[in-house]
Amino acid sequence: QVQLVQSGAEVKQPGASVRVSCKASGYTFTDYYVHWVRQAPGQGLEWMGWINPNSGGTNHAQKFRGRVTMTGDTSMTTVYMELSSLRFDDTAIYYCARRGYDFWGQGTLVSVSS
Amino acid sequence: QSVLTQPPSASGTPGQRVTISCSGSSSNVGRNTVYWFQQFPGTAPKLLIYRDDQRPSGVPGRFSGSKSGTSASLAISGLQSEDEGDYYCATWADTLNGWVFGGGTKLTVL
Repeated sequence: QVQLVQSGAEVKQPGASVRVSCKASGYTFTDYYVHWVRQAPGQGLEWMGWINPNSGGTNHAQKFRGRVTMTGDTSMTTVYMELSSLRFDDTAIYYCARRGYDFWGQGTLVSVSS
Repeated sequence: QSVLTQPPSASGTPGQRVTISCSGSSSNVGRNTVYWFQQFPGTAPKLLIYRDDQRPSGVPGRFSGSKSGTSASLAISGLQSEDEGDYYCATWADTLNGWVFGGGTKLTVL
């Protein structure tokens, strides 16, 4: 069965970077883009970007350009999202989701705190 | 301020039919297909509707989607208490070259 399993919660200081992983299984990893979506506490969903695991190509929301890096490792069937220069308002649950949004990871809470 | 506008709240009694709207523009909803998601507290969103009106397998037929022009709607018929949660629409936005989500609608079953 299709599964996306994300890495565990992180606590970071302002200015630091965080890397969240999303391990895919149950389907051909290179056939589906992977989206990253985040949700701040009590807020709505916000699309951050996607990665094509086959080519490594990415597309990021304008808001995150320059701060976000999305990569993939086909041997590990895992994609990664790294967000740098963290600010307090980056505190959120970060989700990965397969193209078509039919399967989602369980979410990773990233807390930015001094 | 979300690019897609949803009412912040909606409500209904068990058995009723409720609709949730999602208003956009010609560069997003008007040109691209709309997706709908259901989310319960502490859980990841779940895909309810894709490509305007298609239901993934496993989603009850009580949920339906439609679109007209620059607005889309999610209808829930035969409302049940377990439908209480948050609902989001999303689509591709040409001018932003990215996906956009509505602000979400909190559905309460009275």
